[in-house]
Amino acid sequence: QQPVQSPQAVILREGEDAVINCSSSKALYSVHWYRQKHGEAPVFLMILLKGGEQKGHDKISASFNEKKQQSSLYLTASQLSYSGTYFCGTGELGGYQKVTFGTGTKLQVIP
Amino acid sequence: KAGVTQTPRYLIKTRGQQVTLSCSPISGHRSVSWYQQTPGQGLQFLFEYFSETQRNKGNFPGRFSGRQFSNSRSEMNVSTLELGDSALYLCASSSGGQGDTQYFGPGTRLTVL
Repeated sequence: QQPVQSPQAVILREGEDAVINCSSSKALYSVHWYRQKHGEAPVFLMILLKGGEQKGHDKISASFNEKKQQSSLYLTASQLSYSGTYFCGTGELGGYQKVTFGTGTKLQVIP
Repeated sequence: KAGVTQTPRYLIKTRGQQVTLSCSPISGHRSVSWYQQTPGQGLQFLFEYFSETQRNKGNFPGRFSGRQFSNSRSEMNVSTLELGDSALYLCASSSGGQGDTQYFGPGTRLTVL
């Protein structure tokens, strides 16, 4: 079953913050976040493993609550380059590279 | 390191034909996964190959098959093409360990007429 992402779409002005949520009905081992720009391949952002850790680099960070089977991606001080569709993907223990992706969150940053 | 490469980048076929897509993973990576991306269904997992063996499979009909060679390059085959097979086919490369990062190739855009 696909993880559920919210919101489905969001428009931000440069410098604003955003949170994208990802929720699964299954026990998770890993959560994967990707960004895809139109006509391009998904680009890896970060991966979080079971353990409830929070990761981040630059102004993008993420958390993983394994008890609630939820993850959130935090974008702070957004830049025009952040525009794209964000996908969360979930992995189960023993699933190795099998990742089930959500339907995506379309994010647009405007000047 | 060179990234993931996929050939061809674009392909047009007619219903009933078959097609073979190719993927070369990042050097040193032993796992290749294939995904189908469509506007309606999103990104869907097809299968994963690791050390020439299929390790995981998604919910696609048997018309979709794949293989992996000893140099980790992988091919995906779709037989008896249907209109609904039109999609972007992406391959992803990783070291193959549980929870390892997958890096996507640019994809092959398949159009079935």
